[in-house]
Amino acid sequence: SQTIHQWPATLVQPVGSPLSLECTVEGTSNPNLYWYRQAAGRGLQLLFYSVGIGQISSEVPQNLSASRPQDRQFILSSKKLLLSDSGFYLCAWSAGQRNSPLHFGNGTRLTVT
Amino acid sequence: AQKITQTQPGMFVQEKEAVTLDCTYDTSDPSYGLFWYKQPSSGEMIFLIYQGSYDQQNATEGRYSLNFQKARKSANLVISASQLGDSAMYFCAMRRGNNNAGNMLTFGGGTRLMVKP
Repeated sequence: SQTIHQWPATLVQPVGSPLSLECTVEGTSNPNLYWYRQAAGRGLQLLFYSVGIGQISSEVPQNLSASRPQDRQFILSSKKLLLSDSGFYLCAWSAGQRNSPLHFGNGTRLTVT
Repeated sequence: AQKITQTQPGMFVQEKEAVTLDCTYDTSDPSYGLFWYKQPSSGEMIFLIYQGSYDQQNATEGRYSLNFQKARKSANLVISASQLGDSAMYFCAMRRGNNNAGNMLTFGGGTRLMVKP
C-alpha cells in the first residue's frame, strides 16, 4: 500500500533563517505531488504541485520554493523565512486518474519567531 | 475561477443523530469532481467521499453520503448515526476541471463539527 511521510512534525525557526521540509511517498510511481499551507482555523491553500521529476508549478507568489529531485520526493524550501510563513504545511500525493483523491501526510506545524 | 463555500463555521450534533454539512460550489467547467475530507485535531487530512459531476447517483461510503444537487451547485455531506469520533473539521473540495496538469483541489473554509454525548 502507498504511504506518505512528511517531516519534521513541528518546527520553530527565527525570521530570516532557511527552511527545508521534506516529503516522500512509498508504494507508487510517478505520483502527482502537492504542497498546501493551512493558516490557523482556515482552509488549505495550494502552494506548489508537480507532475514529474523537475516539474514544479507555483500557485502563489511568495518566498517559498519547491523541488522534486526524485520521483517520490518533494521538498519545500525558503532561503529566508518571514513571520507570515508560519502555518501548517501539508504534503499530498495523488494518482493520475480524475477521481483520484489527494492523500495527505501528517503535516508540519511551522512557527516563525 | 472556481470557488467552494462552506457557510457553517461550526455545528453541534447529538450523538447517534444524523447531520448535514453544507457545501456550495461555483465553476464553469462541465466536468469536475467534489471531495470531502475530515481533519481531526491531530491535523491529518482524511479522505471521506468523492462525487463526479457526471455520476448519476449520489456517492455513499459507510456512514457518509453526499447529497449532490447539480442544478443548485451543492454537494452536502450527510453523516448518519454520529459518533464522538466524528468531532473534527470537515472540508469540501473541488477538482479543477479537466486539467492535465495535476489533480489539484480547491478547498472550502471548513466546518467544525462537534458531537455531543
